Amino acid sequence: EAQVTQNPRYLITVTGKKLTVTCSQNMNHEYMSWYRQDPGLGLRQIYYSMNVEATDKGDVPEGYKVSRKEKRNFPLILESPSPNQTSLYFCASSVTGAHQETQYFGPGTRLLVL
Amino acid sequence: DQQVKQNSPSLSVQEGRISILNCDYTNSMFDYFLWYKKYPAEGPTFLISISSIKDKNEDGRFTVFLNKSAKHLSLHIVPSQPGDSAVYFCAASGAGNMLTFGGGTRLMVKP
Repeated sequence: EAQVTQNPRYLITVTGKKLTVTCSQNMNHEYMSWYRQDPGLGLRQIYYSMNVEATDKGDVPEGYKVSRKEKRNFPLILESPSPNQTSLYFCASSVTGAHQETQYFGPGTRLLVL
Repeated sequence: DQQVKQNSPSLSVQEGRISILNCDYTNSMFDYFLWYKKYPAEGPTFLISISSIKDKNEDGRFTVFLNKSAKHLSLHIVPSQPGDSAVYFCAASGAGNMLTFGGGTRLMVKP
């Protein structure tokens, strides 16, 4: 089954404790992206990647890191989480990243930073 | 400042009636618009899209209308069904790779 998977689905952590949210897709997509969803603000893009070893900042990259060492994986790293990073996070992928393409989203990771 | 706005956070409609969800944008460089639907505990899924060269696109019960002069688009669902109850996000894109999303509208279709 074609899908985007994220782990963990739920995470409670404390300020300053490094964490990684994994994202994997099995559709051989070139393009992958991370979003955060906050009430009233919709989804805002954090980082995206057009291909392996090619990453770029989205609208809200502060406090986040990403890496793209393999085509299928695109982990999101919070080196020192803060309470304002409490949010619902989605990973997405598309074939090439062309702006008319449909993006396929993972199920989401709900993060609470205390 | 948000470039894509959905001014109605929620909408309640009776089953069988029409649902109309609205979206406004400010960036005239946007040339492609999409609607995504999101159920609780799931990721958004693509619903329907429209290019700026068109003013209407229809797919079964779902129709999207685009009014470029007003920088406004709307999603019509006819007839509405209880399974349509979800959060609907409007999104827009331009020449780059980024999608800009609106804040979402929660649709509740009552049986």
